[in-house]
Amino acid sequence: GIQVEQSPPDLILQEGANSTLRCNFSDSVNNLQWFHQNPWGQLINLFYIPSGTKQNGRLSATTVATERYSLLYISSSQTTDSGVYFCAVGENRDDKIIFGKGTRLHILP
Amino acid sequence: GAVVSQHPSWVICKSGTSVKIECRSLDFQATTMFWYRQFPKQSLMLMATSNEGSKATYEQGVEKDKFLINHASLTLSTLTVTSAHPEDSSFYICSAQLVDTQYFGPGTRLTVL
Repeated sequence: GIQVEQSPPDLILQEGANSTLRCNFSDSVNNLQWFHQNPWGQLINLFYIPSGTKQNGRLSATTVATERYSLLYISSSQTTDSGVYFCAVGENRDDKIIFGKGTRLHILP
Repeated sequence: GAVVSQHPSWVICKSGTSVKIECRSLDFQATTMFWYRQFPKQSLMLMATSNEGSKATYEQGVEKDKFLINHASLTLSTLTVTSAHPEDSSFYICSAQLVDTQYFGPGTRLTVL
């Protein structure tokens, strides 16, 4: 099956800093999603991005499908950005997705 | 839009009892729902894919007789943990598929004493 690797595993930043989270995957995918899991366990959809670039406020994401990686950018970090960021991929657009181990982000005030 | 609820949000039960967890898509219909479990500080592990009107598809290593899944309608899927044991204690999360995106419920924290 597809393997998903996320880096770094942990990241501690000061409020206001920028960060880049990476997701590598082992095979071609037609589904790639980024999620933020808040401290209460709720997963929040950030992007559906099997290819290309998207932006939503301070967050943006880029997936280079031919090179099998995706990047999530967070600018001007806020303490509410803390939590775990997961990348999940799938072979098919509307089928199951496999999660990476996540990047645990801690933003210091 | 695309809201998914779970009930209960937490449950504590004695070893040997069965526990049912409900997952509902509140403002859309979902032919497909998914069930995950998550141990502390770990990732989400897919347990099964639940399809409305048909049998669930379980991932390798997941006991189908222990984790019963029923997807009786386009807005409701249930997971029943039968004869629960302490090792079944975990955070159970469901999701519902809408087009190409999965929307997640808030999770159910199960503690088996």
